[in-house]
Amino acid sequence: DSGVTQTPKHLITATGQRVTLRCSPRSGDLSVYWYQQSLDQGLQFLIQYYNGEERAKGNILERFSAQQFPDLHSELNLSSLELGDSALYFCASSVAQGVNTEAFFGQGTRLTVV
Amino acid sequence: AQSVTQLGSHVSVSEGALVLLRCNYSSSVPPYLFWYVQYPNQGLQLLLKYTSAATLVKGINGFEAEFKKSETSFHLTKPSAHMSDAAEYFCAVSFSGGYQKVTFGTGTKLQVIP
Repeated sequence: DSGVTQTPKHLITATGQRVTLRCSPRSGDLSVYWYQQSLDQGLQFLIQYYNGEERAKGNILERFSAQQFPDLHSELNLSSLELGDSALYFCASSVAQGVNTEAFFGQGTRLTVV
Repeated sequence: AQSVTQLGSHVSVSEGALVLLRCNYSSSVPPYLFWYVQYPNQGLQLLLKYTSAATLVKGINGFEAEFKKSETSFHLTKPSAHMSDAAEYFCAVSFSGGYQKVTFGTGTKLQVIP
């Protein structure tokens, strides 16, 4: 158990819908990262928050957004869903931002868009 | 741009045999290099990390990797495969900053044959 909790584990929804994925980082970790893992794109960085503030954006679509709340949990919002958004979405957390600290990954949320 | 290449999307070894998973990176500056393991329905777990200290890095579960600058390689090895090693392994590279700058390879699925 990495200590990073993601809910729900599985999500099936229709095209055009909106979903929210939730991540609770390890206790004490200030940095949260979101990744998308798909068969064709591999593991792609989406967005990072540190202590409530957005710090970096990767290959995140405009239909997607995220936030980190004062209690440090984070949510990833996916809207106007398309079939191609079906993927495994991971959250990771770390104490600090540099790669000298270890990032711990949650078990992921498997999103299926039908 | 940084990149990492994993040779072989699937590798099969017999139980007790040597495990060798190949990873090559492209870089003009010294990198940070990682190996992660992903078990079915699990998140990524850090096996080991190279951060410019010793070139031979020992990780968890008996795995180790050697950084060879002349070959731009960071291959993962384990002397004797166990059935429990069956998983997908990801090599990753970063040249600075945090995990938002980590580039992951496409992964190698390791099958262990009894």
